[in-house]
Amino acid sequence: SQQGEEDPQALSIQEGENATMNCSYKTSINNLQWYRQNSGRGLVHLILIRSNEREKHSGRLRVTLDTSKKSSSLLITASRAADTASYFCATPPFGGGGNKLTFGTGTQLKVEL
Amino acid sequence: DTEVTQTPKHLVMGMTNKKSLKCEQHMGHRAMYWYKQKAKKPPELMFVYSYEKLSINESVPSRFSPECPNSSLLNLHLHALQPEDSALYLCASSQGLRRSSTDTQYFGPGTRLTVL
Repeated sequence: SQQGEEDPQALSIQEGENATMNCSYKTSINNLQWYRQNSGRGLVHLILIRSNEREKHSGRLRVTLDTSKKSSSLLITASRAADTASYFCATPPFGGGGNKLTFGTGTQLKVEL
Repeated sequence: DTEVTQTPKHLVMGMTNKKSLKCEQHMGHRAMYWYKQKAKKPPELMFVYSYEKLSINESVPSRFSPECPNSSLLNLHLHALQPEDSALYLCASSQGLRRSSTDTQYFGPGTRLTVL
């Protein structure tokens, strides 16, 4: 079964607005990762946040992690049309062995001009 | 070179055909993966090779047969597939750090497979 549930399933915003998507997971984690997938293409790793971190930034991306609520959020500020993609959270097995990532259900983001 | 390449980009095959998907990376990564992804769904792990040995098989039907000839190459041999096997097949690689949970995966662009 899937580790992460994401919401919303789909999000449509105007260019320049901020986009927030959320991921909830079920078990303990060492870290949580976010990936982006442009339509029908491969996934691109965006950011990794460790379980002892609460917030992390990378350019226009801001990720938060609340381990007490087993949830994470990805904020994209000042969105651009090129940000249109599906976004997935993913978690490796707790305790090490990062080979088996389990992906969340994904959020489809559409940024309109 | 941080690229994972996959060939072919598109493949159409009949249920009696035998075909192979290929994946290549030159980042010195020692772990390679095959994922299957249906439309509007997350990728589902199929196989993991670690140091050229099959380490994870997610109960994939035997009509899918992986092969890792060397540390840079990964193949997926297809035989007697079903129409429901039509999907995007993604290859990925990572450093393969043992007992590490921060092993970032790099994905190829995928092969779009259609089974008639």
